[in-house]
Amino acid sequence: NAGVTQTPKFRILKIGQSMTLQCTQDMNHNYMYWYRQDPGMGLKLIYYSVGAGITDKGEVPNGYNVSRSTTEDFPLRLELAAPSQTSVYFCASSYPREDQPQHFGDGTRLSIL
Amino acid sequence: AQKVTQAQTEISVVEKEDVTLDCVYETRDTTYYLFWYKQPPSGELVFLIRRNSFDEQNEISGRYSWNFQKSTSSFNFTITASQVVDSAVYFCALRAYGNKLVFGAGTILRVKS
Repeated sequence: NAGVTQTPKFRILKIGQSMTLQCTQDMNHNYMYWYRQDPGMGLKLIYYSVGAGITDKGEVPNGYNVSRSTTEDFPLRLELAAPSQTSVYFCASSYPREDQPQHFGDGTRLSIL
Repeated sequence: AQKVTQAQTEISVVEKEDVTLDCVYETRDTTYYLFWYKQPPSGELVFLIRRNSFDEQNEISGRYSWNFQKSTSSFNFTITASQVVDSAVYFCALRAYGNKLVFGAGTILRVKS
């Protein structure tokens, strides 16, 4: 029962570098989400997708890009890493209905130095 | 706009004490769903419970119970006879039209032996 798998678990980047956070789910969920969690804060939605080929911005999309070429995968791209992007990133997935809970990956802890 | 407020930033209790975590929400939608998630020190997010806006029955699951009151827009979470393993950050979240989940800032619960 893999659920939602995120890689890597930890990463340190230098300012200006780029990287892709990987997320894959095996529950055949249509909806997928990326959140960031800053210390002492709740989770803030970066981007989400309601199906392959469809993505939309969340609350804090600046500095990030996403794509959804398959139902299973929803990578998050940081093009020019900035210290403000130091955070813990969570990927989640769910069925389309609003009463369905989101299932979360274990998170990626990212530090930009 | 939707908003979730968890006014208690941090709560410390001694093992076997009962503790209540408060959650107050705002939404203009008449149909919505409320969730509680637990984030233990290991960092993953664990779904605990879902409640829809039409069901005001309280729910009990073992030592956990939830009190939903639409009149006060609250969805409080009580742990009876707390244990050290209950130490975690607890998030309340609201999901209304559009499938976006809005999180509160979380309450850190520390249970001391």
